Amino acid sequence: GESVGLHLPTLSVQEGDNSIINCAYSNSASDYFIWYKQESGKGPQFIIDIRSNMDKRQGQRVTVLLNKTVKHLSLQIAATQPGDSAVYFCAENALNQAGTALIFGKGTTLSVSS
Amino acid sequence: GAVVSQHPSWVICKSGTSVKIECRSLDFQATTMFWYRQFPKQSLMLMATSNEGSKATYEQGVEKDKFLINHASLTLSTLTVTSAHPEDSSFYICSARQQGGNTEAFFGQGTRLTVV
Repeated sequence: GESVGLHLPTLSVQEGDNSIINCAYSNSASDYFIWYKQESGKGPQFIIDIRSNMDKRQGQRVTVLLNKTVKHLSLQIAATQPGDSAVYFCAENALNQAGTALIFGKGTTLSVSS
Repeated sequence: GAVVSQHPSWVICKSGTSVKIECRSLDFQATTMFWYRQFPKQSLMLMATSNEGSKATYEQGVEKDKFLINHASLTLSTLTVTSAHPEDSSFYICSARQQGGNTEAFFGQGTRLTVV
């Protein structure tokens, strides 16, 4: 079936650098996407979301870009800090038998060194 | 903000026994709750979707008789792992949506299940 995936499993950056985490999705019918951050042993933490009628959305130090033409989603983190070290997942709101559910990609581990 | 509480945060049980995990939405009514399983260094895999007052809808490959889900109220869903085996050891995470459709889902802190 269709699923959300990520290009790179790990990303290492220096403190202060900008980070870009990518995600490719395959379900063209998905209308809503979320980026989550997960620290070891904890549940996912919401970072930012975007609906399919938008191309870009900005939050505090984070920006999500959506390219529906090539089914690509990215998360940009400005001035990356050691506290940003975690696993980042994109999730798409996909149809299932019960309505819709968030389907997660494989995850990218971000390591920030100071 | 919306808070989802999961209990217990970790549990160790013997093979063959059953374990119940609770998921509560503390400050909102959750019309839909979801259960995920996550193995080490892997992503979250959706197990089932639960709408309040209805039977849960299980994803392909998930045994409904083994993973019993109850969503009896708008603030509580439970997952019972029956006749647990070591291969059921995993990180189980619930999430809840306040309303249907394309809205944010709030996640619990997860339950680490170890079957010995």
